[in-house]
Amino acid sequence: DQQVKQNSPSLSVQEGRISILNCDYTNSMFDYFLWYKKYPAEGPTFLISISSIKDKNEDGRFTVFLNKSAKHLSLHIVPSQPGDSAVYFCAASADNAGNMLTFGGGTRLMVKP
Amino acid sequence: SAVISQKPSRDICQRGTSLTIQCQVDSQVTMMFWYRQQPGQSLTLIATANQGSEATYESGFVIDKFPISRPNLTFSTLTVSNMSPEDSSIYLCSVERRTEAFFGQGTRLTVV
Repeated sequence: DQQVKQNSPSLSVQEGRISILNCDYTNSMFDYFLWYKKYPAEGPTFLISISSIKDKNEDGRFTVFLNKSAKHLSLHIVPSQPGDSAVYFCAASADNAGNMLTFGGGTRLMVKP
Repeated sequence: SAVISQKPSRDICQRGTSLTIQCQVDSQVTMMFWYRQQPGQSLTLIATANQGSEATYESGFVIDKFPISRPNLTFSTLTVSNMSPEDSSIYLCSVERRTEAFFGQGTRLTVV
């Protein structure tokens, strides 16, 4: 039973345009969400997070939106750059401290020059 | 932030042998986590390692196959025992501090 789902395994975007990566979850106890970026043969690196008390968090080109009623979050990257090409994982936690993360399956983003 | 040194970064092993992966953290942490990422799949938590107590394993993972040591607050090892080709994967250690998670560089294991 996947509690965190990323239904799009891959996404292709033109450089300079917006990339939107989506994530859905089923566990209503989740109250903290994170996005990670992973290059091949490297460990994931933390990108941005959001607590359930907020519906938006912004950091430079990255913005995460949270819709609690829909149990849905999304990561927007604007403008997309070729260096953004990687696998993006969303993760969720139920203790508001980021412990014991449950990961989605990942979405491979390809930004074309 | 936390800096995690994980080694080896990659290895090719014969089936039936064992490999021990090490993770060193630059600061003391209570909990360390070991993940596996099989080709085309997401990260899967193998176990949680607390200093001074036995590791807690997730469903589908057992201590005999993945023994873990946690001798102090900055170090942990994961051993993949009696390996088979199905164990070929990337293995990651991780620590979590407040609202962020930090990962080692990963160990790419290929079992032949």
